[in-house]
Amino acid sequence: EAGVAQSPRYKIIEKRQSVAFWCNPISGHATLYWYQQILGQGPKLLIQFQNNGVVDDSQLPKDRFSAERLKGVDSTLKIQPAKLEDSAVYLCASSSMIGSGGGTGELFFGEGSRLTVL
Amino acid sequence: AQSVAQPEDQVNVAEGNPLTVKCTYSVSGNPYLFWYVQYPNRGLQFLLKYITGDNLVKGSYGFEAEFNKSQTSFHLKKPSALVSDSALYFCAVRLPNRDDKIIFGKGTRLHILP
Repeated sequence: EAGVAQSPRYKIIEKRQSVAFWCNPISGHATLYWYQQILGQGPKLLIQFQNNGVVDDSQLPKDRFSAERLKGVDSTLKIQPAKLEDSAVYLCASSSMIGSGGGTGELFFGEGSRLTVL
Repeated sequence: AQSVAQPEDQVNVAEGNPLTVKCTYSVSGNPYLFWYVQYPNRGLQFLLKYITGDNLVKGSYGFEAEFNKSQTSFHLKKPSALVSDSALYFCAVRLPNRDDKIIFGKGTRLHILP
């Protein structure tokens, strides 16, 4: 079974520039999550999709961050314009819905995209 | 407010000794409980989970965790630590029937000393 794919692995930009991260979840997983992880901290949920609908984006800074999940599969997270404090690892995760096809809810994470804003 | 607490930022254990990484939670209902491990420059990897049944669950790499409903705890344990167990460990709870929301603890860094 292929895992969650993310790209790029590393990105360095200057403040006020834009950046986009891509995620391809595990096939058949209805739920997709984007997390922001600042060095030494736990993951912070930015947005949760169920199929192609948004379930929770309460912690997404909507003035600069946007995310979409077209056709309920791949997802893109965009930051425009970037700030210094956006330097972090952006983790994508997917899971099956609890009870769906025997799913019991563990998340499968990609390797992350490390963003450095200078 | 629903929350997950990992009271220790760091745990140091000598190689070969038993280890415990603590986790307590405060949620309503019957959550699903998880432990994840993160190695440097990697994403989080699933270690083990408690859904229902036996309070002691076994997972990857010789880890186990004990669910204690009365104490709302889900501590991670291993009988004999290895240097390669050094990593960042996250406890998480998932709330079924609430849009499958997931709450992570802040993480505990485990150092195994040779």
